[in-house]
Formats: sequence, C-alpha cells, structure tokens
Amino acid sequence: DAGVIQSPRHEVTEMGQEVTLRCKPISGHDYLFWYRQTMMRGLELLIYFNNNVPIDDSGMPEDRFSAKMPNASFSTLKIQPSEPRDSAVYFCASSPEGLAGDNEQFFGPGTRLTVL
Amino acid sequence: GNSVTQMEGPVTLSEEAFLTINCTYTATGYPSLFWYVQYPGEGLQLLLKATKADDKGSNKGFEATYRKETTSFHLEKGSVQVSDSAVYFCALTGFQKLVFGTGTRLLVSP
Repeated sequence: DAGVIQSPRHEVTEMGQEVTLRCKPISGHDYLFWYRQTMMRGLELLIYFNNNVPIDDSGMPEDRFSAKMPNASFSTLKIQPSEPRDSAVYFCASSPEGLAGDNEQFFGPGTRLTVL
Repeated sequence: GNSVTQMEGPVTLSEEAFLTINCTYTATGYPSLFWYVQYPGEGLQLLLKATKADDKGSNKGFEATYRKETTSFHLEKGSVQVSDSAVYFCALTGFQKLVFGTGTRLLVSP
C-alpha cells in the first residue's frame, strides 16, 4: 500500500494567489482529515470527512479556506486568496474508522506551503 | 474541553540514556491516549496507544501507561538510539476529535 499521498510536497506562492493542495487517502479508509502544523499553534485539525461528506469544519480558519472530497480517493484543500500567515505544513490523514476509540490515523508526508 | 500538555523540548540525550517525556491530559469521560512520532520531513506515525486506565502501550522499546489517577501518559524508553531523534506528540480522542499536544523534540547524540 502506498500510504496517504499528498501533492505537491512543497509550494511557494505569492500573496493573493490561489493554492490547491491535494490528497489521496488509503484505499478503503472512510475518514479523511486535513491538519495544519505551525510552530505557533502546533497541529490543528481543520476539517474531516466521512464517506466523502464533510462532518466537522469548525477548525477551518476562515472563508478563504475550502475543502472538497468529490470521491473516495481524492480530496482538495483550497486557499483563495492566500496570505503569508497561511504558511505552514498541511497534512492529510485517513482512517478506516472514526475518531472514537483506539482508531489509528495514517498521515501523509505533508505539503509545506510558503506564501510570500 | 479536552487538552494535552507536554513537556517543553528539546530533550537532548546521549545514546543509551533513559528517556522520559511527560504528558498530562484534561478530558471529559474516558478518552483513548496515543503517542505519535514525526521523523524529519515526514508525517506523523502512531507509536503506541492505550484505550483504558492502567493499560500499557508499547512499541519499538517505548512504553506508556494510562494513569487515570494522575491524568498522565508519560513516554519512556530504557535506552535511546540516534535513530529515535524525532518529534513526539501525545494525543487523545474525545468528542470526535483527535487532540494533539504541542510536541517534544528529542535529539539523541552518539
């Protein structure tokens, strides 16, 4: 199994530009999570999906952020317009079950975003 | 709400030294507890877990015991290796979210 796949691994863009991050979860996993990691705020859950449906987006920082999951094997996180404070590492994770109990989440390698 | 507090890093040790990374939590109910590890340039990986009080999770020589009376889940290893250098995250589940601590960086020198 290839694990969770994220692309691109690195993204450098200018303020005001649209940024799209992509994720392919592990086949058969029903849950998909997007996290953001920064030095200041640590690891934050942005949104998660169950069977392609967004369940909790309370961690999405503002309307500039949006996430979609058009099918079971693909999800995107979009930032439009991007700002320098969005610079962070964005992780995608998937899980065969939900967050209750002892269910493990499998993380991708992350996308390092730099907004100039 | 649920929260996790970890000791500040970095923790710097020599190879074969004993490791303890402290983790305490605040939670409603009976969460499951986890330690994740993040190696340089990679995503987080589950290291070990415990689902109820007094459970001991163990993996790769690391251990942690779920202590309800002290609300703690300290990570220990008897003899660290250079390859253990990484960032370690304590986490818990509750209210349908996985809550992470801020992470503790471990640096092991030969």
